[in-house]
Amino acid sequence: KAGVTQTPRYLIKTRGQQVTLSCSPISGHRSVSWYQQTPGQGLQFLFEYFSETQRNKGNFPGRFSGRQFSNSRSEMNVSTLELGDSALYLCASSRRAATRQSYNEQFFGPGTRLTVL
Amino acid sequence: KNQVEQSPQSLIILEGKNCTLQCNYTVSPFSNLRWYKQDTGRGPVSLTIMTFSENTKSNGRYTATLDADTKQSSLHITASQLSDSASYICVVSGDTGTASKLTFGTGTRLQVTL
Repeated sequence: KAGVTQTPRYLIKTRGQQVTLSCSPISGHRSVSWYQQTPGQGLQFLFEYFSETQRNKGNFPGRFSGRQFSNSRSEMNVSTLELGDSALYLCASSRRAATRQSYNEQFFGPGTRLTVL
Repeated sequence: KNQVEQSPQSLIILEGKNCTLQCNYTVSPFSNLRWYKQDTGRGPVSLTIMTFSENTKSNGRYTATLDADTKQSSLHITASQLSDSASYICVVSGDTGTASKLTFGTGTRLQVTL
C-alpha cells in the first residue's frame, strides 16, 4: 500500500512569489492535515481537511491557504512568499476525522522542502 | 498555554548502548501521547501511541512510558543501532485528538556512532 506522497520534494522560490504544494493521501484516507516544520519551532499546525471541508486552521496568516479535492488529494498555497516561509512542509493523512472517543493515527509524507531566497 | 518540552535537545551515544529521552507536557485536557521518529529529510513515523490508561508500550527496541499524574513520558531505546540516528518527537493530543489539538515538542536529536 503506497504511503503519503508529496510533490515537489524540493522547491526554491524568491520573495513575493507564490507556491502550490500537493499531497496525495494513503488510499482510503479521507483526512489530510498540513504542518510547517522549522528548526526552532518544531511542527506547527496549518490546516486539517476532511471530505473536502476545512475542519480546522492553525494560527497562520491568510497568505496560507489550502483545499481538498473529491479524491482526498490536497493542495496548499502560499502567496507573497517571505523569507520566513522557508521550511519543511509536511502533509499527514488519516483514515477518518478524529472523534472525542477515539484518537486518529496520522501517517506523514516525506515533506516538501521550500527555500525562499 | 499547552506546551511539550523534550530533553535533551541532542544526544550522542555509542552503538549498542541504551538511552532514554524525556518529554514533559502541560497539555490539558489529555487524550493521548505519541512518539515519532523522524529521519533527516523524511516525514515523522509513529513509534507508539499511549492513552491515559496506559503507562507503558513497546515497539521492538523502543519502550515508551507515561506518567499522567506528573505529565511525563520517556522513550527508552535499547541496544542502539546506527539506524536509530534521527530526531524523536513527542506529541500530545488534546481532548478531541484532531490535528489542531496536537502539541508537538521540538524533538531530541539522537546520533548513534561507532
